[in-house]
Amino acid sequence: SQQGEEDPQALSIQEGENATMNCSYKTSINNLQWYRQNSGRGLVHLILIRSNEREKHSGRLRVTLDTSKKSSSLLITASRAADTASYFCATDEEETSGSRLTFGEGTQLTVNP
Amino acid sequence: NAGVTQTPKFQVLKTGQSMTLQCAQDMNHNSMYWYRQDPGMGLRLIYYSASEGTTDKGEVPNGYNVSRLNKREFSLRLESAAPSQTSVYFCASSEYLTGVKGYTFGSGTRLTVV
Repeated sequence: SQQGEEDPQALSIQEGENATMNCSYKTSINNLQWYRQNSGRGLVHLILIRSNEREKHSGRLRVTLDTSKKSSSLLITASRAADTASYFCATDEEETSGSRLTFGEGTQLTVNP
Repeated sequence: NAGVTQTPKFQVLKTGQSMTLQCAQDMNHNSMYWYRQDPGMGLRLIYYSASEGTTDKGEVPNGYNVSRLNKREFSLRLESAAPSQTSVYFCASSEYLTGVKGYTFGSGTRLTVV
């Protein structure tokens, strides 16, 4: 079963706009990670946020985590056409004792030039 | 180029045939994973290996077997392929379990079973 559920499933914006994607999960976690997948390629790790952190930044990426609501958001600021990709959240669940990540179904982001 | 290498990139099998997907990493990572990705779905874990010499089932292990040949290599075997195993298969590795520093993925193997 899927732990993380991304919202929206698809998002289309203009270059320069901000893109926000959300992820909800069901069980207690040790950390939550975001990955990007370009069409026909493998996933690339973007950022990790631990359960005791509320916000983290990396370049144009901003991730927030609300463990009380079991949700996370990924904000990409000043989007570029090259940001067009699928974005997945992945959770390290406490229940599985950190043995593997569980991935959501992804958000397809299209940035129009 | 450091990373995770998967072979082959594409494969077509007939129902009932067998094959082995190869995966190798050169980052001295301890843990390795096999996922499958189906249209409109996220990645589902098939098997993983926390460290050399150990393997464990993931969410969808039926119809698959794995071998952690050494620290670098982790292979996935389909003994008798079925159309339901048509998918894109990704191998990944991490320095620690769950990738405290994130997983590194290969570019995938696109498998079609007819």
